[in-house]
This record gives sequence, C-alpha cells and structure tokens, in this order.
Amino acid sequence: ETGVTQTPRHLVMGMTNKKSLKCEQHLGHNAMYWYKQSAKKPLELMFVYSLEERVENNSVPSRFSPECPNSSHLFLHLHTLQPEDSALYLCASSQEPSGSAWADTQYFGPGTRLTVL
Amino acid sequence: SQQGEEDPQALSIQEGENATMNCSYKTSINNLQWYRQNSGRGLVHLILIRSNEREKHSGRLRVTLDTSKKSSSLLITASRAADTASYFCATEPQGAQKLVFGQGTRLTINP
Repeated sequence: ETGVTQTPRHLVMGMTNKKSLKCEQHLGHNAMYWYKQSAKKPLELMFVYSLEERVENNSVPSRFSPECPNSSHLFLHLHTLQPEDSALYLCASSQEPSGSAWADTQYFGPGTRLTVL
Repeated sequence: SQQGEEDPQALSIQEGENATMNCSYKTSINNLQWYRQNSGRGLVHLILIRSNEREKHSGRLRVTLDTSKKSSSLLITASRAADTASYFCATEPQGAQKLVFGQGTRLTINP
C-alpha cells in the first residue's frame, strides 16, 4: 500500500451540487498534489502544496478549490462542475516538492472516480 | 506538444518475453521517473533516474536515460501476467516545480 488514502472512491454529482474530495497521507511528507486523469489525455497537474502553502495552481478553473489544513490532509472542494470535469482525480505526496534539489518520487492514492451528470 | 511521449502507445507480448517502452521529452530535465498504473487505480512509482545517471536497475526493471537524445527506455525482463498495466514516464523539467506525465504505454502480457 502507498500510504495515501482518498475518499470517496466513487462520486456521482449533478452540476449544481457541492462536494469535496479528501486525501490523507500517512508518510510524513511535506508536499501534496492533485492531478486530473481524463480518458486519452496525459495526467494533468492541478495543484501543489508544500508545507501547507499552495505553490502551484496550474490554470485550474475556480470551480475547483483546494484546501490544505495541515501537511497530512488535502481537500478538493467542487461546485457547479461541468460534465467534462468527469475524470479520475488522483492525490499524491512526496517528501520534498518537485523542483527542489531533493525532489523524489511521488506516492499516489487510489483516486476518486468522479462523474458529473 | 507534450513534454513526455511514450512509444508505443500499446504493446502486447507473451508471458516470459521482454517488454521495452520508450519515452521522449523536449526540455532539459532534473530527473525522469517511470510509474505503473493498473486499470482505474493510482500510479505506483517504479524507478527514478537523475539527469547525471545513464542506467538503473530494480529487480526485473532496467531504465536507461540518454540526455543527448532526450529519451529514456524501460525494459521489463521475463514478463508476467501481473505486469499488465499502463506505464508512464514523468519528467521534472529544470526550473519547473512539477512532474510532467506522458500519455502512457498500455502493456498487455498474454499467458
């Protein structure tokens, strides 16, 4: 097991709903990430947090709102999503953030399969 | 165009054979990583190779990196049915605080 958990594993929501995805890492890492994986597209980085501060926002629409209350937890708040937002949302963590001299591997959670109706 | 592109997009071989996947990228990098993903699951890290390294081994995996050609290869020897998965290369471009993933190679091992 990777030590990164995500809940829920599956989520179906309407375009007017508000929901949140949760990620928890038990590895003592300093950096956490949200990725979006759509069919036939490369994995897209959405947000990066390092020591609870957002260091990357990869031009993600405001209907996606991340929150990192502490170094072990990461949330992705969703509201007024579109059907094209349906995808697998993956959370990952690493000891140090990418771009540092000590950049290391990322450990992924199992993902949340999101369907927007 | 993408930073990392895997080739081939799909590969089907018999159990016991070797599987080779390639990755090409466009900009200078700090390191290159290979990940595996089973259907609908999270990615699992396989191996990381830094820009000053040329080859790395881990069990049945062998990764090479040629920075002059901006390419890497992943070799899986003596393949097993459990190796069936998608394999992604991810590069960390110099100056960028991110990993950039390719679209992956879908590997199928036939028993």
